[in-house]
Parts: sequence; structure tokens; C-alpha cells
Amino acid sequence: QVTLRESGPAVVNRTQTLKLTCTVSGFSLTTGDMCVSWSRQAPGKGLEWLARIDWDDDKYYRTSLKSRLTISKDTSKNQVVLTMTDMDPADTGTYFCARSSSGWYHFDYWGQGIRVTVSS
Amino acid sequence: EIVLTQSPNTLSLSPGDTATLSCRASQNILSSYLAWYQQRPGQPPRLVLYSSSARPAGIPGRFSGSGSGTDFTLTISGLEPEDFAVYYCLHFGALQYTFGQGTSLEI
Repeated sequence: QVTLRESGPAVVNRTQTLKLTCTVSGFSLTTGDMCVSWSRQAPGKGLEWLARIDWDDDKYYRTSLKSRLTISKDTSKNQVVLTMTDMDPADTGTYFCARSSSGWYHFDYWGQGIRVTVSS
Repeated sequence: EIVLTQSPNTLSLSPGDTATLSCRASQNILSSYLAWYQQRPGQPPRLVLYSSSARPAGIPGRFSGSGSGTDFTLTISGLEPEDFAVYYCLHFGALQYTFGQGTSLEI
């Protein structure tokens, strides 16, 4: 059974760095051409993709946020970590991690999401 | 950067009706790179179609997709109460994922 679960702080202060963790099970982060992405959704708004890390450690970032994002993985813990620097109240929203497979261009499994509020 | 524009923003229908949702790309895209998601309030997105028209396991046959080039359509035939939600299209290209702004399907 494939599952993804996001964890991290519910509140961060403006200008701080956000660190989110996605813990996965039911698949490997190092084999099977699996990839994990982070996306976010501001309250009442649409979805925005942020970053992706592949089984072979290739990384991709949203162009407009590239300077603020870092994605990495800890295979011993089955975790994918996203850090976002210089947080702003505009970054408030729900952050999701999701799985995709190399060669397929969609996310098939999603976590439930974690709500993050940036306090000014 | 490819922009996906969904229409309409809101679609008001009744159970039993057929819903037709549109996703238009700012330039030609491959149908294999286009997916559709359903999102209910407080829930993560749920994949309903990938490669423009393929249904994942567990998605009812009333969901169908079509299109090519810049114009893609999600059709839901015989709407059930649980189908009323927000729908997003998604494209992957140039190492970036792009979502449409969403269509809210309401009763």
C-alpha cells in the first residue's frame, strides 16, 4: 500500500526557513523510477507545483521559486525533505507531497497535506 | 512556459447531467502529458485521468477525456453527487509541472 505523509511546523515566522518532510511507504525512493514532488495550495486557491526529486537524485524546481527551494531525500528514513527560505505570508497554504513515475507525467498518490501559516 | 486555462470557472449542473470541462494550453502539448484531478474540500487531489484519456483503477467509466494539440476535455456523464468538486488539469513539460486554475463543478 502506497502512502505519503507530510510533517512539519504549522506556523513559521516571516523571513524564516520552512522545512517539510514527506515520509513514504509502499515504494522505494531509490529504485523503480519513482519520483516525489511537492506542491502547494493557498487558501481557496489553485494548485502550484514546487519541486521534484527522482530516484536517481535528479532535482527539478519551479522556475519562479528556484532560489528559495531545496529538495532532498534521506533514503534510510524513506523521507523527502523540502526547504523553503525567506518565508512570507503569501506562502501560507497547504503543502502536499505526491508520487510520480519516471516516464509518466502525472501524480498518482498524494499525501493528505500539511497546513502552514506564515505569521507576520 | 505553458499556461493552462480552464473553462468555465464554475459549472452548475444537477445529478444525472453531463459535465463538459475544458482545458486549453497556450501552445501545442502532447496528450500523454495531460492529466485531470478531482479535489473535494479538505482533501488532496485525486487522479481521474492521465495521458488525456486513460482512467486509473477505481475511477468510474462515466469519466472520459479527449483532445489534442491545445484543447482538451474532461467529460463526466451522468453526474453523481460525489462528482461535485473542483477539477484541475495538469501538464508536464520543460521539466516543469503546470496546473490549470480549476473548474468548480457545483450542484
